[in-house]
Amino acid sequence: AQSVTQLGSHVSVSEGALVLLRCNYSSSVPPYLFWYVQYPNQGLQLLLKYTSAATLVKGINGFEAEFKKSETSFHLTKPSAHMSDAAEYFCAVSESGGSQGNLIFGKGTKLSVKP
Amino acid sequence: DTGVSQDPRHKITKRGQNVTFRCDPISEHNRLYWYRQTLGQGPEFLTYFQNEAQLEKSRLLSDRFSAERPKGSFSTLEIQRTEQGDSAMYLCASSGLAGREQYFGPGTRLTVT
Repeated sequence: AQSVTQLGSHVSVSEGALVLLRCNYSSSVPPYLFWYVQYPNQGLQLLLKYTSAATLVKGINGFEAEFKKSETSFHLTKPSAHMSDAAEYFCAVSESGGSQGNLIFGKGTKLSVKP
Repeated sequence: DTGVSQDPRHKITKRGQNVTFRCDPISEHNRLYWYRQTLGQGPEFLTYFQNEAQLEKSRLLSDRFSAERPKGSFSTLEIQRTEQGDSAMYLCASSGLAGREQYFGPGTRLTVT
């Protein structure tokens, strides 16, 4: 069965610093992996996705993630944090490798950005 | 393309009442998903439709929960005899047939008093 673990429920960085949000997955089939961002009282916005093509995936707002099969990881990074990046970030894996399509989410990591 | 919309955005109800939420997906999307998100947690899958067919409903939390998508367009999620534990954000998402990227609506926040 597929599952996702996000390490660190809360990450705090200074503006301009590197952002690193960690995600490890478990999957019995080749995974489809996603990162979503959620601002307070809003739905989720897709940041980027991995669907078995390039292992380094670039997304919106300067974020990128690298799929590492040997480490079963899909960590999210951004070279320089901006105040507007403060939000909650969710890593997700598509159940059944995408044949069914529903997503299994991690518990989320809340990112704070200090001026 | 106006994105996924949900109505209402907020609902306050008394325990024991029935509530119904509506989701309008992106117009060309065949798949529609419902999730529930409680405080401090990631979204939890409830059910999904491909066109008008409900292909997975075993994850609905109890028999008080039901969903429909009668014409393959909008969908409704109904909770009967609400309980305080039903208080949560209910999210709808849609995707194309490939079922890869899901686009989420703003959610309906339910408060049961």
